[in-house]
Amino acid sequence: NAGVTQTPKFQVLKTGQSMTLQCAQDMNHNSMYWYRQDPGMGLRLIYYSASEGTTDKGEVPNGYNVSRLNKREFSLRLESAAPSQTSVYFCASSLSSSTDTQYFGPGTRLTVL
Amino acid sequence: QQQVKQSPQSLIVQKGGIPIINCAYENTAFDYFPWYQQFPGKGPALLIAIRPDVSEKKEGRFTISFNKSAKQFSLHIMDSQPGDSATYFCAASRNDKIIFGKGTRLHILP
Repeated sequence: NAGVTQTPKFQVLKTGQSMTLQCAQDMNHNSMYWYRQDPGMGLRLIYYSASEGTTDKGEVPNGYNVSRLNKREFSLRLESAAPSQTSVYFCASSLSSSTDTQYFGPGTRLTVL
Repeated sequence: QQQVKQSPQSLIVQKGGIPIINCAYENTAFDYFPWYQQFPGKGPALLIAIRPDVSEKKEGRFTISFNKSAKQFSLHIMDSQPGDSATYFCAASRNDKIIFGKGTRLHILP
């Protein structure tokens, strides 16, 4: 049982480049989330997916897109990266809603130059 | 009305002391209040959580106190240990909406 896995662990991009952050969970959870963590800002929700086939915006969705590929996988895409998107990105999953325990992945540290 | 305000930003406590971290929320619709613990280089992990129908919950050395009328809740760590040094986040949620506090960096001196 790997829990929540994220790839890559680290990434450096140039402004304007695109990339996709991958997330997968093996706990048969329905809900999945993408957060960004910045110093002094806590965790801010970017997008979430309450179930396979649905996605909704969180607190800071601008500049990002998501895909819930299947029940296990939830990807986050940066179409045109900006320095303001330099952050640590965490994926999480929970059984059915945010009032269930959220299990977090190890994070992806992204730097945009 | 969507904010969760957490204080202090950082806290240093001697081993054996009782650090207290406070959070306040505005939206009375929130019905689940978890605390997450994060060690450097790791993702956050659930520590303890409470629902507003109780005023206190204990799990081991960790206690949440909840004051529904004041819209405040706090985390107390009894007999704190150096291994408790981490960043702690409170949160408030309802259905799929969750808002985290900005975190408290706790350091327990040996």
